[in-house]
Amino acid sequence: QSVVTQPPSASGTPGQRVTISCSGSSANIGSNYVYWYQQLPGTAPKLLIYRDNQRPSGVPDRFSGSKSGTSASLAISGLRSDDEADYYCAIWDDSLSGPVFGGGTKLTVV
Amino acid sequence: QVQLVESGGGLVKPGGSLRLSCAASGFSFSDYYMSWIRQAPGKGLEWVSYISGSGYTIYYADSVKGRFTISRDNAKDSLYLQMNGLRAEDTAVYYCARRYAGLVGVDYWGQGTLVTVSS
Repeated sequence: QSVVTQPPSASGTPGQRVTISCSGSSANIGSNYVYWYQQLPGTAPKLLIYRDNQRPSGVPDRFSGSKSGTSASLAISGLRSDDEADYYCAIWDDSLSGPVFGGGTKLTVV
Repeated sequence: QVQLVESGGGLVKPGGSLRLSCAASGFSFSDYYMSWIRQAPGKGLEWVSYISGSGYTIYYADSVKGRFTISRDNAKDSLYLQMNGLRAEDTAVYYCARRYAGLVGVDYWGQGTLVTVSS
């Protein structure tokens, strides 16, 4: 059981905007930057968002991150079929003194 | 271009040992923190260990502390994970990854190497 919680699944239709949440505590999201990763089937994860809302070079601006208090969200706008993947939030946890991943959210584009 | 290539995975019996290697190229290896991150079959990601560029700062997840040892050879641009006392729950794909931002942001990942612990 991770210290940060994500919904196990999410879904949307092409063109729609979807959000994936990551809920934690003052020991992690409330005091440290949130990172988001996308893992396409059968591949290694890819960094989508760093430091709450920054996009690495090459990541489309359809992907955005936000944070409020002890919760964070990843938003994907203009949903595409190739966005179907597992999405993980990652954060440093002060109580554990280490990095942790959320349990992951499987996004289905129907 | 940046490349990370893991090797050393395989089938091992419970209690056995295995040494994973990660060969890095395309960047100044000694300048970067490196991590091992694993993923059990059908499960989520778990941070196993990281090491600073100098090797001075090291982190282990509680689940592997005392059994796994991370190390690096900057002269050979290589990262290692010595795994002893392996358990069934260590069965996973092990990825090496390069730090990008903070201690949680990694930008380049290897293709992963599968470790299976089974009798």
